[in-house]
Amino acid sequence: GAVVSQHPSRVICKSGTSVKIECRSLDFQATTMFWYRQFPKQSLMLMATSNEGSKATYEQGVEKDKFLINHASLTLSTLTVTSAHPEDSSFYICSAETFASSGANVLTFGAGSRLTVL
Amino acid sequence: SQKIEQNSEALNIQEGKTATLTCNYTNYSPAYLQWYRQDPGRGPVFLLLIRENEKEKRKERLKVTFDTTLKQSLFHITASQPADSATYLCALDNTDKLIFGTGTRLQVFP
Repeated sequence: GAVVSQHPSRVICKSGTSVKIECRSLDFQATTMFWYRQFPKQSLMLMATSNEGSKATYEQGVEKDKFLINHASLTLSTLTVTSAHPEDSSFYICSAETFASSGANVLTFGAGSRLTVL
Repeated sequence: SQKIEQNSEALNIQEGKTATLTCNYTNYSPAYLQWYRQDPGRGPVFLLLIRENEKEKRKERLKVTFDTTLKQSLFHITASQPADSATYLCALDNTDKLIFGTGTRLQVFP
């Protein structure tokens, strides 16, 4: 089946630094990837839709200059948290669209990246 | 406002029983509804999808129902096992995006 690899799984950084998270589709091409953010015991909140070769579409309230998304190839999307602050500490999860047997789109998720900003 | 509601309280059941989880939504008109499983510290994993014109869908010990009049989906796990313990999320399609509920934590004890 489809596999999405996300790296790093955990990262700790100092306040003010930038952190890059990579999301790769291993055995398929992903034209569209989605980036979610999840706080403890809360739902996944969609941050942005990443389209290969074009600019990402950000959800309302998500700062595009703070959360830089690049989808330069059909197998790689990256999320860079710029000038990270403690409030950016969260669980970031990427996903790629794949097709269920019924023909509808479903999401294959990466394992997530736990970001802790000190 | 638009809402997707799942029972935030954990569901504790005994092994072998049927677990039933509920997903209610407001002010959405989804063409399909999906269920995912999420283990602690991991990304969600797709389980089942049911379309608006389908009443019921089954996969092994899993069964999903979809009532567009009640705006509700029920997710059943029959003959539950401790390995089924996880958080289960429902998700609706909304303009080419999947919107997730808060999830319900299921704990199956021996």
